[in-house]
Amino acid sequence: GIQVEQSPPDLILQEGANSTLRCNFSDSVNNLQWFHQNPWGQLINLFYIPSGTKQNGRLSATTVATERYSLLYISSSQTTDSGVYFCAVPNTGTASKLTFGTGTRLQVTL
Amino acid sequence: DAGITQSPRHKVTETGTPVTLRCHQTENHRYMYWYRQDPGHGLRLIHYSYGVKDTDKGEVSDGYSVSRSKTEDFLLTLESATSSQTSVYFCAIRDGGAEAFFGQGTRLTVV
Repeated sequence: GIQVEQSPPDLILQEGANSTLRCNFSDSVNNLQWFHQNPWGQLINLFYIPSGTKQNGRLSATTVATERYSLLYISSSQTTDSGVYFCAVPNTGTASKLTFGTGTRLQVTL
Repeated sequence: DAGITQSPRHKVTETGTPVTLRCHQTENHRYMYWYRQDPGHGLRLIHYSYGVKDTDKGEVSDGYSVSRSKTEDFLLTLESATSSQTSVYFCAIRDGGAEAFFGQGTRLTVV
């Protein structure tokens, strides 16, 4: 099946700093999702981004499907951005089962 | 928020007992999934459903069974719980190839 790798595994930022999280995948995909898991364990949808760039406030994401990677940008980070960020891509075939990366754990400090 | 509810949210059970987790959706989505989340492994697929009474195994299906008798409900059963099944379980729904949404999770502890 498809392999998904995320980097870095851990990241500590001071509030106000910017960061880039990366997601590499081993096969062609027709969509990709980014999630934020907050400290309470809830999985929050950030982006559904098959290709190109999307922006939502301080967050943006870019997927380059032909090169098999996606980037999540966090600008002017806040303590509420802390948590784990996952990317997930669908396997081929019916049901489009999502395969997750192991995540990037982000801690934003004051 | 997507209309997806998991129950119970927390459960402690003894080794060898049966346990059923419920996922309920109000979105009428075709696809439903059960994942488990463990430290160091991210989220891994247990079982999924592509319609009423249509289910299939994921990558970590041993020790689990599922049923979907109605579009809105997807049940995950541990026939005889073991300590290795202590985990956080997430249900997800999606409609075709569109965006997937997750429930709030069920924290299961097997003692």
